[in-house]
Amino acid sequence: AQSVTQLDSQVPVFEEAPVELRCNYSSSVSVYLFWYVQYPNQGLQLLLKYLSGSTLVKGINGFEAEFNKSQTSFHLRKPSVHISDTAEYFCAVSGGSNYKLTFGKGTLLTVNP
Amino acid sequence: GAGVSQSPSNKVTEKGKDVELRCDPISGHTALYWYRQSLGQGLEFLIYFQGNSAPDKSGLPSDRFSAERTGGSVSTLTIQRTQQEDSAVYLCASSLDGKTQYFGPGTRLLVL
Repeated sequence: AQSVTQLDSQVPVFEEAPVELRCNYSSSVSVYLFWYVQYPNQGLQLLLKYLSGSTLVKGINGFEAEFNKSQTSFHLRKPSVHISDTAEYFCAVSGGSNYKLTFGKGTLLTVNP
Repeated sequence: GAGVSQSPSNKVTEKGKDVELRCDPISGHTALYWYRQSLGQGLEFLIYFQGNSAPDKSGLPSDRFSAERTGGSVSTLTIQRTQQEDSAVYLCASSLDGKTQYFGPGTRLLVL
């Protein structure tokens, strides 16, 4: 069985400040890890993914994440956020035969001017 | 290129009615998934189709839910005798390699 814990349900930050959204996972099999972003009344947009290889992955909109196997973490970071980054962010894990995604509860990032 | 599309974007129905939700995956994607997003339960896997293989229905919450995929492309999720707890956003995703999933905009279902 797999599970994902997003440690913060809400993260308020000021514009141009750095941000880290935390994600921890558990799995009994090798995993693939993802971050998705959801803007109001929209579907999920893929930000970045870790499938294999380098543990530091870069995604769209200046976001990056680091896979840490020993700490079972996949935290999302951005060095300087914009108002337009305000959205809900979901960490997800997949593995096993059907690759279904197991999601965390989401983190609402609010960027204030 | 065109992404995943879903229709209708919004659906309001009365308790006890049947509803059909449609998903058009990205062309050439052989894997198709349905998820449900609700306030109480978050994002949950419902069903998975891969090519011509039998679907993985392990996430369907009750026998009122069913889905089919015709010709390896378009999929329809059917909910019979809708209940108020079925109110949610139903999201479809498709994948070329089975690992990276791309989502559609969702169908917002409200059962009165």
